[in-house]
Amino acid sequence: QKEVEQDPGPLSVPEGAIVSLNCTYSNSAFQYFMWYRQYSRKGPELLMYTYSSGNKEDGRFTAQVDKSSKYISLFIRDSQPSDSATYLCAMRGDYKLSFGAGTTVTVRA
Amino acid sequence: EAGVAQSPRYKIIEKRQSVAFWCNPISGHATLYWYQQILGQGPKLLIQFQNNGVVDDSQLPKDRFSAERLKGVDSTLKIQPAKLEDSAVYLCASSSLTSGGYYEQYFGPGTRLTVT
Repeated sequence: QKEVEQDPGPLSVPEGAIVSLNCTYSNSAFQYFMWYRQYSRKGPELLMYTYSSGNKEDGRFTAQVDKSSKYISLFIRDSQPSDSATYLCAMRGDYKLSFGAGTTVTVRA
Repeated sequence: EAGVAQSPRYKIIEKRQSVAFWCNPISGHATLYWYQQILGQGPKLLIQFQNNGVVDDSQLPKDRFSAERLKGVDSTLKIQPAKLEDSAVYLCASSSLTSGGYYEQYFGPGTRLTVT
């Protein structure tokens, strides 16, 4: 069983739709939860991070963490074609990041 | 602020050949990471440096991979000899401690290696 599970998609939505992404994990020691965005042929860039359980909002992006269920989510409101990318969840207990496989999202104009 | 620089961006070699990748982290970042990202997978940590020292190299295939970080700045990752399964993107990242107590990692654009 992988430490972090993420549905690779692909996910295709019309412009303006809400994009919903999620990951599950098995390691109870994870305390920091991150979402990275990776455009084609680029390195990942940090979108949001959350410490422990709860919600965090940043503009059109909302991250949710439910440690009791070992489940994290990312919602993108009013999606734009520029949001088309691969979204990677990542988690950390001590110092090492464990990444999901990434979900490829396409927002159709 | 300049980002993490990597070179070359692309490399094609035959199996059993050698290859080296170079990384220049963001100025002042003490921690440097090398990741391997195979197509369709998330990045996997190969090695982590704190200044000159190795913090974690548990997933580095030491029979063929080596890495060094001289003077605590630039780093090189070498593969010798390469195998077909080494085809991947090799990402370098560096990090600093944020005001929130979190080490945020900044990634370079990666080197795409194809082994034929």
